[in-house]
Amino acid sequence: DSGVTQTPKHLITATGQRVTLRCSPRSGDLSVYWYQQSLDQGLQFLIQYYNGEERAKGNILERFSAQQFPDLHSELNLSSLELGDSALYFCASSVALPNNEQFFGPGTRLTVL
Amino acid sequence: GENVEQHPSTLSVQEGDSAVIKCTYSDSASNYFPWYKQELGKGPQLIIDIRSNVGEKKDQRIAVTLNKTAKHFSLHITETQPEDSAVYFCAASGPKTGGSYIPTFGRGTSLIVHP
Repeated sequence: DSGVTQTPKHLITATGQRVTLRCSPRSGDLSVYWYQQSLDQGLQFLIQYYNGEERAKGNILERFSAQQFPDLHSELNLSSLELGDSALYFCASSVALPNNEQFFGPGTRLTVL
Repeated sequence: GENVEQHPSTLSVQEGDSAVIKCTYSDSASNYFPWYKQELGKGPQLIIDIRSNVGEKKDQRIAVTLNKTAKHFSLHITETQPEDSAVYFCAASGPKTGGSYIPTFGRGTSLIVHP
């Protein structure tokens, strides 16, 4: 158990809908990262937050957004969902910059029908 | 940006054999190379990492080597056991704007250890 929690574990929804994925980092970790894992694209970095502020952005679609709250938990919002958004979404956390070690949560499996 | 190539995509070995997974990277500024193990239905778990000021690191049956000149690094697992069966990912990262270290991952190697 990495200490990172993610909810829900599974999510099934329809195209065009909007969903919110939640992540709680390890106790004491200030940095949260979101990744998308699909069979054809592998593990892709989406976005990073550090102590409530956006710190780095990867291949995140404009339909996707995230935020980190004062209690350091983070939410990833996915809107106008498409079939191709079906994937595993992982959250990872690390202590602080520039610490590199990231600890991954168990993931949320999103299925868009 | 960084590009990480990982080989092989599938590796099948007999219990007790050694397994080697190789990765190459493109960005000479990368200085941190973690390896993750992902079991079915779980998130990636860091198993070992190496920084660019070190050529080799070992932790029990697992070792990682780094050749900065050739820009490649490898994971070595000795005396493999069935519980080593999983997907292994290599990654490379270096300092980006703002001090973040965002890893670029390889496509993964599915290791199967036959009893």
